[in-house]
Amino acid sequence: GENVEQHPSTLSVQEGDSAVIKCTYSDSASNYFPWYKQELGKGPQLIIDIRSNVGEKKDQRIAVTLNKTAKHFSLHITETQPEDSAVYFCAASKGGYQKVTFGIGTKLQVIP
Amino acid sequence: NAGVTQTPKFQVLKTGQSMTLQCAQDMNHNSMYWYRQDPGMGLRLIYYSASEGTTDKGEVPNGYNVSRLNKREFSLRLESAAPSQTSVYFCASSPNSDTQYFGPGTRLTVL
Repeated sequence: GENVEQHPSTLSVQEGDSAVIKCTYSDSASNYFPWYKQELGKGPQLIIDIRSNVGEKKDQRIAVTLNKTAKHFSLHITETQPEDSAVYFCAASKGGYQKVTFGIGTKLQVIP
Repeated sequence: NAGVTQTPKFQVLKTGQSMTLQCAQDMNHNSMYWYRQDPGMGLRLIYYSASEGTTDKGEVPNGYNVSRLNKREFSLRLESAAPSQTSVYFCASSPNSDTQYFGPGTRLTVL
């Protein structure tokens, strides 16, 4: 089955700096890669996703890049703010009614 | 539009007791899921239901059963709770199994 590895497990950055979280996947058939943000005491919430026919996608301060050849994808957050502090999960799936496999999460702390 | 709701929010059980975690969604989604979240292990799929009337095992199904009561509701049952089932449980739904919408979670402690 699919295996998703995520690192780092914790990340501290100064407010205004950039943060990068990286994930690798094992199944070359995976074609959908979402990123979720989980705030303390809440359920994960989708923040951005990318499909295998796209190399990069941006949404304001958040961007995701995908390298299909190397089977890795990354989340980039620019101009970090304290409200970006949360746990971030990457995931991979083959789309359709296939299950989604999650990484173990990255706890991001933005220091004011 | 409440999205995905879960009850209860917190629960404490003794070993051997049974309970059912309830989940409902009002987004008319076909697929529903149950995950458990444990420190250092991310989200692991327990069971899922691709559509009303079907259920399938996920990564960690042992000790659990599920019922897809109708399109809106998907319940998770622990027949004989064990301390290893202490966890935070999340229900999710999806229109097509790609983007998933999560509920707020149930924090379960088994003593």
